[in-house]
Amino acid sequence: QVQLVESGGVLVKPGGSLRLSCAASGFVFRNYYMSWIRQPPGKGLEWVSYINSGGDYTKYADSVKGRFTISRDNVENVLYLQMNNLRDADTAMYYCTRELGNRGLESWGQGTLVTVSS
Amino acid sequence: QPALTQPPSASGTPGQRVTISCSGASSNIGSNSVIWYQQLPGAAPKPLIWNNDERPSGVPDRFSGSKSGTSASLAISGLQSKDEADYYCGAWDASRNHWVFGGGTKVTVL
Repeated sequence: QVQLVESGGVLVKPGGSLRLSCAASGFVFRNYYMSWIRQPPGKGLEWVSYINSGGDYTKYADSVKGRFTISRDNVENVLYLQMNNLRDADTAMYYCTRELGNRGLESWGQGTLVTVSS
Repeated sequence: QPALTQPPSASGTPGQRVTISCSGASSNIGSNSVIWYQQLPGAAPKPLIWNNDERPSGVPDRFSGSKSGTSASLAISGLQSKDEADYYCGAWDASRNHWVFGGGTKVTVL
């Protein structure tokens, strides 16, 4: 079955960098658009970024544009999120999701927690 | 400010029917499918309804979705204690060119 397993979340100081990974299995990874969604503690869901199936088109939320970079390895079946110049407001659970047409973001990982604090 | 508007809370007694609304715009709900997510405490969101009114495999038929114009709603009939969770609506926004969500509705079973 579809499995998405995020990793890489840690406590980091403001201004620091971090790379999140999402290992995908159980489906043909290279055929799907993928997105990162985040959820600050006690708050709602926020779309962060998506990448097309081939990896040559990306889009970012205004709040992370210029600081975050999404990428994918369609051989190793891994989705990445490189996060630079981190801010307190980036503190959140980060979820890796698979997109499927009218079903939207229909598969989610368990999430990885990023905490930005001095 | 979330692009989609949901009430922050809803409640009912066991067996009752609860309805959650989700209001958007022509660029999102008005022109694209609505997905509803259930987030149980401490867990990741899980799709409950997709394509406005379709239930993924394994979702009980107590959950139903509908859409009209730029609004959508989720109904939970025969409310059970295990339905206590946060519920989010989501849709693709053609103007923003990305996914948008409601602020979430916390459902409490009294």
